[in-house]
Amino acid sequence: NAGVMQNPRHLVRRRGQEARLRCSPMKGHSHVYWYRQLPEEGLKFMVYLQKENIIDESGMPKERFSAEFPKEGPSILRIQQVVRGDSAAYFCASSPQGSYEQYFGPGTRLTVT
Amino acid sequence: DAKTTQPPSMDCAEGRAANLPCNHSTISGNEYVYWYRQIHSQGPQYIIHGLKNNETNEMASLIITEDRKSSTLILPHATLRDTAVYYCIVRVAQGGSEKLVFGKGTKLTVNP
Repeated sequence: NAGVMQNPRHLVRRRGQEARLRCSPMKGHSHVYWYRQLPEEGLKFMVYLQKENIIDESGMPKERFSAEFPKEGPSILRIQQVVRGDSAAYFCASSPQGSYEQYFGPGTRLTVT
Repeated sequence: DAKTTQPPSMDCAEGRAANLPCNHSTISGNEYVYWYRQIHSQGPQYIIHGLKNNETNEMASLIITEDRKSSTLILPHATLRDTAVYYCIVRVAQGGSEKLVFGKGTKLTVNP
């Protein structure tokens, strides 16, 4: 059973470009979570999604950031017009229905130049 | 904000037990104690969780005090690969937010 997959593992964008981060949950998992980790800091929750629904987006910045988890395909975290402060590791986690254990992917390291 | 307090760093000799403390004095009756660890910027890894009874699995043991205001994660025979940041997290059992709230954790260094 493959774990949570994230791609790309490393992403470099210039200021003002768009970044798209993908997360494929574990097989059978219908819940996806996105977390951000700034350098030398702990993980911060961003958004929690179920298939086609955003359940909790209390950690998402108000502008430029969006997330989706379509009926088919991976979850996407989209950052528009990136700035240097967006440079961080972005982790995705998934869990099955009715479970509180979250399984994390290897992360995408975004660098904005 | 995280509801837990952990020492910022600890050292342990290889082969010895590592005991990582966590204070959660404001824990509610319906909140579990979870432990995750993050090895060198990899994705966090689930270790163990418990409500009020002590728990043990193949990775670690979790000892929760009777008043539930603190707990200790025990790695019985630490190895160099256990060097990581360990996070203690409290969260509701059901009906609450699904998110994990990470604090700064304890950076455990296992020395040869």
